[in-house]
Parts: sequence; structure tokens; C-alpha cells
Amino acid sequence: DAKTTQPPSMDCAEGRAANLPCNHSTISGNEYVYWYRQIHSQGPQYIIHGLKNNETNEMASLIITEDRKSSTLILPHATLRDTAVYYCIVKSGSQGNLIFGKGTKLSVKP
Amino acid sequence: NAGVTQTPKFQVLKTGQSMTLQCAQDMNHNSMYWYRQDPGMGLRLIYYSASEGTTDKGEVPNGYNVSRLNKREFSLRLESAAPSQTSVYFCASSESIGAGYTFGSGTRLTVV
Repeated sequence: DAKTTQPPSMDCAEGRAANLPCNHSTISGNEYVYWYRQIHSQGPQYIIHGLKNNETNEMASLIITEDRKSSTLILPHATLRDTAVYYCIVKSGSQGNLIFGKGTKLSVKP
Repeated sequence: NAGVTQTPKFQVLKTGQSMTLQCAQDMNHNSMYWYRQDPGMGLRLIYYSASEGTTDKGEVPNGYNVSRLNKREFSLRLESAAPSQTSVYFCASSESIGAGYTFGSGTRLTVV
């Protein structure tokens, strides 16, 4: 069973920030939060991951709450090409299985 | 830099036929994975190889075998294809088990 809960769908206006929430209330101390996205019919794409500190890269920012029970993926300036299903995954660094849930379908609209 | 390359991209098999899906990566990654994706089911791990010379079962290994031929290549074999194996198969690789995965573009397999 997936260890995360995400809203099934969200809309965002082009050029605005997209904030995608994820709940992971049963996360263990050695488990990381990973974010991937899948654009229709393509392979999933790694976005970012973190343990407890906030992380930022060229694609997105990851904000993890202090109690680590939830996180938010932020796409600062969403474009139409960011329309995809976004997956939040919790996994330990030594575990080989990324378990994909149903994710959030983000639709970026003009 | 091609990343993760999967061949073939499309395949139709008859029930009972065998075939091997090929996967190669050029990023010098240690770990490689095979997933399948069915409509409404999300991605499920079939097998993975944490490092060259090792393989381990994932969630849905039945009906499949794998070979980590060398550090670059990780193949998935269907010995006797069944209609239930109709799916999109994705190969992925990562520098280590804990690092981000790079996925290939997938093989769309239909078993009739």
C-alpha cells in the first residue's frame, strides 16, 4: 500500500506557482520523500527528493514540514508542459522498491 | 547522452511465445529496475538489480526472469507470454538505490 495521500487532481493557471500537497503521516525516520512526474505515455521523470530539510533544484522546490508528516512540491512558474501526473513517494534510502500510488493529475491552463 | 534506452518500443506476441526486452543505460549507474504499468494500476516493480551481479524480486515477479548482463544492460525475459502480461514496461536506472531514477521511454507489449 502507498504510504502517501495526494489529491486526485488540481488545476493551475499558466505562469502561476503550482503547489502540490502530499500527506505521509506514517513516515519513518530513515525514509525520504521523492517526487516524480509522468507526462502522458512517457516514462516517469525524477523531480526532487528530501529527508527533512527543504530542497530546491532547477525544476522545483520541496517543502517538508517540521514533523515530516506532510510536504509540498512547488513548481514556481507553471507552464503548459508541466501538465502531468505527479507522484509523491516515501522510501528509505536502502529500499529497492519505489511504490507509485495514483498521484495528482495537474492540469496547467492558459 | 541517451540515458536509458529500451528496445523494442512496440511488440505483439501470441500467447505462449517468448521474448526478451532489452534495456541499456550509459550513465554508469549501479542500480537498474524493471516496472510494468497497467491502466489504473500505477507502476509496479517486477525485478531490480541493486548492483552488477545481483538481482532481486519486486512486487510482481511471476512469469518473468531477468539478467544483469553487465553494468550497462538489464534484460527482462518472458518465457511463455500470457494476455495478463499485456502492459507498458519501463526500465529505469539510478546511481544507487537511494538516488533518483532515470526511466526509459517504455516498451508497449500486447499479448494476444
